[in-house]
Amino acid sequence: GAGVSQTPSNKVTEKGKYVELRCDPISGHTALYWYRQSLGQGPEFLIYFQGTGAADDSGLPNDRFFAVRPEGSVSTLKIQRTERGDSAVYLCASSLQGASEETQYFGPGTRLLVL
Amino acid sequence: LAKTTQPISMDSYEGQEVNITCSHNNIATNDYITWYQQFPSQGPRFIIQGYKTKVTNEVASLFIPADRKSSTLSLPRVSLSDTAVYYCLVGEGGYNKLIFGAGTRLAVHP
Repeated sequence: GAGVSQTPSNKVTEKGKYVELRCDPISGHTALYWYRQSLGQGPEFLIYFQGTGAADDSGLPNDRFFAVRPEGSVSTLKIQRTERGDSAVYLCASSLQGASEETQYFGPGTRLLVL
Repeated sequence: LAKTTQPISMDSYEGQEVNITCSHNNIATNDYITWYQQFPSQGPRFIIQGYKTKVTNEVASLFIPADRKSSTLSLPRVSLSDTAVYYCLVGEGGYNKLIFGAGTRLAVHP
């Protein structure tokens, strides 16, 4: 079956612009996670959705970052007034129900470059 | 305080067994231990997960001592394609909020 997909695969934008990154989780997975990975580092947790609601957004760095999942499937990560420091790979993952022992399946990521 | 500690890098040769040890001194009773593998330009991929003792699948084995304060990922007879970053993680929060460290960069040489 299809895995987690993310679009676009690459995004180049200018400082101050607004960007949207999309994640299509595995069908039927109620848990969805966003992570951010800077060069040479491990992924960093941003936000966790259980269904349509954000159960934990403690990893969002500031109020320029926002994510939605209106129908409990596709999720969009939105970044306002982008800064050069936002450049990173943004990873999305999903799991069946979000239980602690479940495997998280990651997408290939969106590589964001802010000029 | 880091939740897990593992070597920054390791080198091996094709056909050898590789053991990567991770320490997680503050592991909680409900936490599982999970290992992920990541190739360049790809998202992390699940390798193996365990709670205690030994777990084996078609890819690797995971050894967890009784006190669960450490774990060892064992990759039998590695090949060049096993060159990747390996992350040891301990689940948190009841919904498996993954906290990644820097991982172990494994380089397999011919």
